[in-house]
Amino acid sequence: DTGVSQDPRHKITKRGQNVTFRCDPISEHNRLYWYRQTLGQGPEFLTYFQNEAQLEKSRLLSDRFSAERPKGSFSTLEIQRTEQGDSAMYLCASSLDPEAFFGQGTRLTVV
Amino acid sequence: GENVEQHPSTLSVQEGDSAVIKCTYSDSASNYFPWYKQELGKRPQLIIDIRSNVGEKKDQRIAVTLNKTAKHFSLHITETQPEDSAVYFCAATGTASKLTFGTGTRLQVTL
Repeated sequence: DTGVSQDPRHKITKRGQNVTFRCDPISEHNRLYWYRQTLGQGPEFLTYFQNEAQLEKSRLLSDRFSAERPKGSFSTLEIQRTEQGDSAMYLCASSLDPEAFFGQGTRLTVV
Repeated sequence: GENVEQHPSTLSVQEGDSAVIKCTYSDSASNYFPWYKQELGKRPQLIIDIRSNVGEKKDQRIAVTLNKTAKHFSLHITETQPEDSAVYFCAATGTASKLTFGTGTRLQVTL
């Protein structure tokens, strides 16, 4: 499968725990985006990378969220001290300007 | 930043009829306008897109039109089929090169 891959597909965690998600983009795509989607809503922008540089981070993103893209390849999104409001689908997309393709997402449930 | 509004939020059509979904955007510098289809529990899938130097683009039963002066663009689906039932999202890429999504339109094609 040469599409965008995300791991894990599902994550259930207790409130207060840290979680980390991984995204493997389409090979040679230079842009990588993280979005969050809740039921009935459109994808909400979190952050994006051009190669290894994080170019923008949403103002909605608290300091508990951090993302990295070492060497401009895969990316990780970490949420520290999870809260129930963090429960959502976390989507990764990669792009070779301008078309963007999404992964299957990681569904996070905070209990 | 960019703001994208999408209407209607729900749309029900009979099989064989046409469906039209409309979006407006705020950033006059936006130059790329994709449309995504998302079936329940699946990733958003890019179905068609249009760039700012083009007024209309067609791909089989779907077409997109863009009016840069009015800052709006529309998705047209002709001869709708039950498998067209899904949530459709419009998006726009502004000066920050990130995709900003509309709130989605739930299309239901009835027999």
